Amino acid sequence: SQQGEEDPQALSIQEGENATMNCSYKTSINNLQWYRQNSGRGLVHLILIRSNEREKHSGRLRVTLDTSKKSSSLLITASRAADTASYFCATGWLTTASKLTFGTGTRLQVTL
Amino acid sequence: DTEVTQTPKHLVMGMTNKKSLKCEQHMGHRAMYWYKQKAKKPPELMFVYSYEKLSINESVPSRFSPECPNSSLLNLHLHALQPEDSALYLCASSQTGLAGGADTQYFGPGTRLTVL
Repeated sequence: SQQGEEDPQALSIQEGENATMNCSYKTSINNLQWYRQNSGRGLVHLILIRSNEREKHSGRLRVTLDTSKKSSSLLITASRAADTASYFCATGWLTTASKLTFGTGTRLQVTL
Repeated sequence: DTEVTQTPKHLVMGMTNKKSLKCEQHMGHRAMYWYKQKAKKPPELMFVYSYEKLSINESVPSRFSPECPNSSLLNLHLHALQPEDSALYLCASSQTGLAGGADTQYFGPGTRLTVL
């Protein structure tokens, strides 16, 4: 399977703490994206990092990509209760048109 | 307008019914997607339309039949479904459907389908 594996599967933290989730994949990619999904709803795009990039920031989000280890991490700083959601990495493969393959996801719970 | 709309929000159908899910976007995107998502699992790609032509079919059973009448609309026709087809069906669109998944995908809120 080309699906990415994410860990941890679930993460519970308090508001104000940082949350880190990791994604590993199996074969060479063109880019990697992170999406958020609130319970039972559609996914929202967070950030895209290309295979020639190592780090990218967007607000409280920091994404790193290590193509040699075939892994990526998403860091959410100063978390808020509103960050409670499932987070998925999604990989775009070099030889496959228009296709994103989603990782297994991390369920983040941020408590007050 | 950066919204993808899906109707209906909820659908309950019997195994002998025929129903359709609808998806619409007005962002001028030329690629549209259907995903199936089971509880606590990631979305699984079903179909991709690029410039109104079916470009990817992930070996989906024929009881699911996609249709793209124009660049803004995407339908999923359902017939003789099984209870295991119960899931959240998500529609998404992206600007061009570039190779290698280089597009950002915009998702609708989904249709929660229950097959009795």
